[in-house]
Amino acid sequence: AQTVTQSQPEMSVQEAETVTLSCTYDTSENNYYLFWYKQPPSRQMILVIRQEAYKQQNATENRFSVNFQKAAKSFSLKISDSQLGDTAMYFCAFRASGGGADGLTFGKGTHLIIQP
Amino acid sequence: EAGVAQSPRYKIIEKRQSVAFWCNPISGHATLYWYQQILGQGPKLLIQFQNNGVVDDSQLPKDRFSAERLKGVDSTLKIQPAKLEDSAVYLCASSLDPFGNTIYFGEGSWLTVV
Repeated sequence: AQTVTQSQPEMSVQEAETVTLSCTYDTSENNYYLFWYKQPPSRQMILVIRQEAYKQQNATENRFSVNFQKAAKSFSLKISDSQLGDTAMYFCAFRASGGGADGLTFGKGTHLIIQP
Repeated sequence: EAGVAQSPRYKIIEKRQSVAFWCNPISGHATLYWYQQILGQGPKLLIQFQNNGVVDDSQLPKDRFSAERLKGVDSTLKIQPAKLEDSAVYLCASSLDPFGNTIYFGEGSWLTVV
């Protein structure tokens, strides 16, 4: 079974600053995917970024990038030039690949607050 | 492209009553998931369907929860009888297939049991 750990329950930064959210995971799988989801108060989970474990290159989506360290089982999210609309819960999630039972395993989340 | 549709959005029931939630996945998505998210926690997988077959229901409290996906399209999650600890958001999600494609979520159904 997989576990995902987010050690920062809450973070607060000023608008336009850069912030990094931490995530570690534990698995015996070799092939898997990692995701960061954003959840605003509406509760809908919105995909921010995904990373395939077999890719060494870190994924990037506009202001969002990850630092994927496979050996260390670490998957942090960096948000550059943070905006007020980035305020939300952020969840790190793991998904095994290869078919079969592959539902996402989530961490407990980090509440990110962007201050004006 | 239409997203994952869920209804009802909000439901308040008394303990020991029953409730049902409906989900219609993105068109063409073979894999469907139900998650339970209790306030302050990350979502927890309840059940995964591949077409109309159950792939994983290991975390589904089968004494009170049931789910079906007849015809391999939309799905219903039922709770009977409800307990106070079932108060949560029930998120439905779908994926094109179980081979690593992105999982897309609906807006969720908020359940309060009083």
